[in-house]
Amino acid sequence: AQSVTQPDIHITVSEGASLELRCNYSYGATPYLFWYVQSPGQGLQLLLKYFSGDTLVQGIKGFEAEFKRSQSSFNLRKPSVHWSDAAEYFCAVGAWPNQFYFGTGTSLTVIP
Amino acid sequence: NAGVTQTPKFQVLKTGQSMTLQCAQDMNHEYMSWYRQDPGMGLRLIHYSVGAGITDQGEVPNGYNVSRSTTEDFPLRLLSAAPSQTSVYFCASRPPPYNEQFFGPGTRLTVL
Repeated sequence: AQSVTQPDIHITVSEGASLELRCNYSYGATPYLFWYVQSPGQGLQLLLKYFSGDTLVQGIKGFEAEFKRSQSSFNLRKPSVHWSDAAEYFCAVGAWPNQFYFGTGTSLTVIP
Repeated sequence: NAGVTQTPKFQVLKTGQSMTLQCAQDMNHEYMSWYRQDPGMGLRLIHYSVGAGITDQGEVPNGYNVSRSTTEDFPLRLLSAAPSQTSVYFCASRPPPYNEQFFGPGTRLTVL
């Protein structure tokens, strides 16, 4: 069965520190992978996506993610976190037409 | 483009009442979906549609109905509201073949 696991429910980092959010997936074929961000009281915004090709993908707001097929992972990274990055982050796996699975999310707190 | 719009933003219902959550998109996307978001559970798929006149159930369809008479609109109906349906509801759409989803701002529903 397809699934997405985000093992960290909550992460706290200091402003300026680096960040890595973990995502592992279980999927039978090559998946399409996504990271979304949700600020409090807001909808979900796409940070980045991976369909094929270069396994290191760049997104908005200085985020990047690396697809590692051997580890079934798609971890999100940012070299220097800003206070405005505090939000909920969701990893998702998708395939056309009707398969789209979200992880349970990681809540990020940024300490000044 | 307005993208994906949802109305209302907030709603309070009494147990047993019915109501319709509205969702519209102006991007001519064939695929539309409804999710509910509950703390610690991520987003769970309620119903989806791959085109006008075609709908199907997702992970948590009980207590909800949908219809898709046009490409633009995808309303979600609560037949007889229950406190367990207190949640934040998100509508989303996506184009083929790239299947990132575009989300609306959400409807926060409270059932008393």
